[in-house]
Amino acid sequence: DSGVTQTPKHLITATGQRVTLRCSPRSGDLSVYWYQQSLDQGLQFLIHYYNGEERAKGNILERFSAQQFPDLHSELNLSSLELGDSALYFCASSAAGTLNEKLFFGSGTQLSVL
Amino acid sequence: AQTVTQSQPEMSVQEAETVTLSCTYDTSESNYYLFWYKQPPSRQMILVIRQEAYKQQNATENRFSVNFQKAAKSFSLKISDSQLGDTAMYFCAFMKQWTGGADGLTFGKGTHLIIQP
Repeated sequence: DSGVTQTPKHLITATGQRVTLRCSPRSGDLSVYWYQQSLDQGLQFLIHYYNGEERAKGNILERFSAQQFPDLHSELNLSSLELGDSALYFCASSAAGTLNEKLFFGSGTQLSVL
Repeated sequence: AQTVTQSQPEMSVQEAETVTLSCTYDTSESNYYLFWYKQPPSRQMILVIRQEAYKQQNATENRFSVNFQKAAKSFSLKISDSQLGDTAMYFCAFMKQWTGGADGLTFGKGTHLIIQP
């Protein structure tokens, strides 16, 4: 168990809908990263939050947004969903400090858009 | 931007054999980290081994070791005495050092390793 909790584990929804994925980092970790894993794109970095502030953006669509709350949990919001958004969404956390190279991954949320 | 290439989509070996997974990367950075992650059928991403680019000594974790060739930008993973539980997708990943990990990991496409009984 990595200590990173993601909910829900599975989510089935329809095109055009909006969903929210939740991530609770390991106790004490200030950084939360979001990744998307799909068959065609592989593992893609979406966004990184550190202690409530956005640190870096990767290949995140404008229809997607994220935030990190004062209790350090994070939510990834996906709107106007399309079939191609079906993927496994991971969050990962890492400890505070200057070298955040060790990422601990949650078990992911499998999103199916029908 | 950096890229990570894993040229072996799938490999299959017998239990107890040694297997080497290949990874090459392209970057203009001089300081960085390299990783191998394992993703078993449970889909959990598990860190197998990490290497700091400034260290010449190859990292080793029990049955797992790497061959890091900085000049060639090559980072292969060797699994000795392979076990059935090693069956998984293996991802090579890169992280810039100077950003403190801000932009996360860049992953390769993965190698599906199958250990046959």
